[in-house]
This record gives sequence, structure tokens and C-alpha cells, in this order.
Amino acid sequence: QVQLQESGPGLVKPSETLSLTCTVSGGSISSYFWGWIRQPPGKGLQCIGYISYTGSARYNPSLESRATISVDMSKNQFSLKLSSVTAADTAIYYCTSFSGYDGSFDYWGPGTLVTVSS
Amino acid sequence: QSVLTQPPSVSGAPGQRVTISCTGTSSNLGAGYDVHWYYQLPGTSPKLLISGYNNRPSGVPDRFSGSKSGTSASLAITGLQAEDEADYYCQSYDNSLSDYVVFGGGTRLTVL
Repeated sequence: QVQLQESGPGLVKPSETLSLTCTVSGGSISSYFWGWIRQPPGKGLQCIGYISYTGSARYNPSLESRATISVDMSKNQFSLKLSSVTAADTAIYYCTSFSGYDGSFDYWGPGTLVTVSS
Repeated sequence: QSVLTQPPSVSGAPGQRVTISCTGTSSNLGAGYDVHWYYQLPGTSPKLLISGYNNRPSGVPDRFSGSKSGTSASLAITGLQAEDEADYYCQSYDNSLSDYVVFGGGTRLTVL
């Protein structure tokens, strides 16, 4: 069974770039799709984007200008960068696997809270 | 404001049947996209509950079932148990957003 684990700074200053990495175990990153979803404290879910192992990515239209997702097959990891962050980007960030077959997010990491504050 | 509309809360007694609705429009559920359901226990990450047309991942009991008709979808839970108390989210796609992912706002299920 695929397992996912997010890592990265828990505190980012406004206007800086949020960077997170997801390590995949129990499966090869080269055989699936991968995604990032976030959840502001006490609120609902928002998909940031998802990427295939070939590096082809799709982003939420509202975040497309600031988000970049990439894959590192040598490390079995994929990453998220979100630039020019504000307090509105404070959220729990989840990395997920994404089924290209039916469009569901079938495995989720435990999540990591990222707070944007000076 | 979420693209898919869910009731903020539902409740039921142990053993009862409850349903959670997910209402969309002609650009998402009504356009024929699949709907998926997730549940989230307090303090944990969401987990896939039902994908596509009523497909349950391994380990999900058949007390949970999904349905879809037109611009609406529903999650039904029968034989309600205390451990079912969680937040539930629906998810689909929207062609007015370049076929991008949309979620419902979530529904808190309380087991009385």
C-alpha cells in the first residue's frame, strides 16, 4: 500500500515561497499521478494541483500563477512550491496519490500545517 | 463558497440511515463527471470512501453507498455507528474551470 509523508517548514514569511516535499513509499512514483490538496484550519478542501510521473501538471486556475509541482523520480518524491504567500495560504497541506483512471485522490499523507506569518 | 453544495451538518441515531447530499450544476455533476466521497475523522487526513459509481476501497464497509442523478449526488450510510462521526466531502470536476477538481464544502455527521 502506498504511503505518503509531507515535509517542509511549518512557518513561512509573507511574500516568500512555500516549499514542501512528499516522500512516497510502498510504490513507485513512476507509475502513478500525484497531487497536493490544502485545508485552511476549520475549513474545506482545495486542490492545488496534480502531476503525472512524466512531469505533466495541472493546477487550480486560482493558484496557477503561483504554484509549481515537480517530480524527482530518483528520490521517489514530488514537491510543491507556492510563491508570494499571504496569510490566506495558511493551511494544512496534504500530498496525495491521484487516480488518472477515475479522478479520485486515493491515498493521503497525514498533512503538514504551514503558517504564513512574519 | 464551494462549487458543490453540501449541508453543513446531518445527524442520526445509532442504527439509523442517513444521507448526505451534494448538489452541483450542469457544468459539473450534470455534465456527467464522476463524484467521489471522502471522510475525515477529527485531527486526521481525509480518506477515500467511495470513488466513481459506488466503488468502495478495500476495508470500507458496504454500509456506505453512493448514488448520482442529474446535478445531484448522495452518500447513504446505513446502520449508523458511533465511529461514523466525521466530516464528509464530495469531489468532482467542472468544465467551466477547464475540467478542474472541485470539492463540496463538507458535512459534519453527528451520531446522537
